[in-house]
Amino acid sequence: QQQVRQSPQSLTVWEGETAILNCSYENSAFDYFPWYQQFPGEGPALLISILSVSDKKEDGRFTIFFNKREKKLSLHIADSQPGDSATYFCAIDMGYKLTFGTGTSLLVDP
Amino acid sequence: GGIITQTPKFLIGQEGQKLTLKCQQNFNHDTMYWYRQDSGKGLRLIYYSITENDLQKGDLSEGYDASREKKSSFSLTVTSAQKNEMAVFLCASGTGGPSYEQYFGPGTRLTVL
Repeated sequence: QQQVRQSPQSLTVWEGETAILNCSYENSAFDYFPWYQQFPGEGPALLISILSVSDKKEDGRFTIFFNKREKKLSLHIADSQPGDSATYFCAIDMGYKLTFGTGTSLLVDP
Repeated sequence: GGIITQTPKFLIGQEGQKLTLKCQQNFNHDTMYWYRQDSGKGLRLIYYSITENDLQKGDLSEGYDASREKKSSFSLTVTSAQKNEMAVFLCASGTGGPSYEQYFGPGTRLTVL
């Protein structure tokens, strides 16, 4: 079973700071790495994704950095807002299905 | 846009009981999924269906059955609920193609007494 690891398990930052969430995976070659955001009481929703041919993907305040050689990704949330408080999951695409990490719970203090 | 509807929102059952969770999507997606979410353990895939009448086991299929009655609906049955089992079951749908997105429903919260 493919393992996807995320760290830290929980993270608290002040409003305006940059939150950094980490993800790593084992073995094999994967091409598509999505990050999902989940608010309490809701299902996850796609936030941002990156293809393995890229080492960086930006979408507003959200940026993915991808190190293919080390099999590591990180999600940077710049100028964090209280509304960003949620759980974030990285995932790997295994063809017709995704394997998710255990998530990072982010709290942004105002 | 589309929506995924899961029923019921809350499900309380007795130990050993067979319980069924239902999911409907109007995205016209071919692929549907059932995940279990436990606190601190992320999302674990139970079953998925690439197309109508197809069923594929995920990593956590033991103790569950699934049924893809038609393209828009996907049901999950807990064959014998375990006491103190508490989790959220999430249904999702997607195109299943390269770089695809999965769309999730709000979940069914299961409690077993």
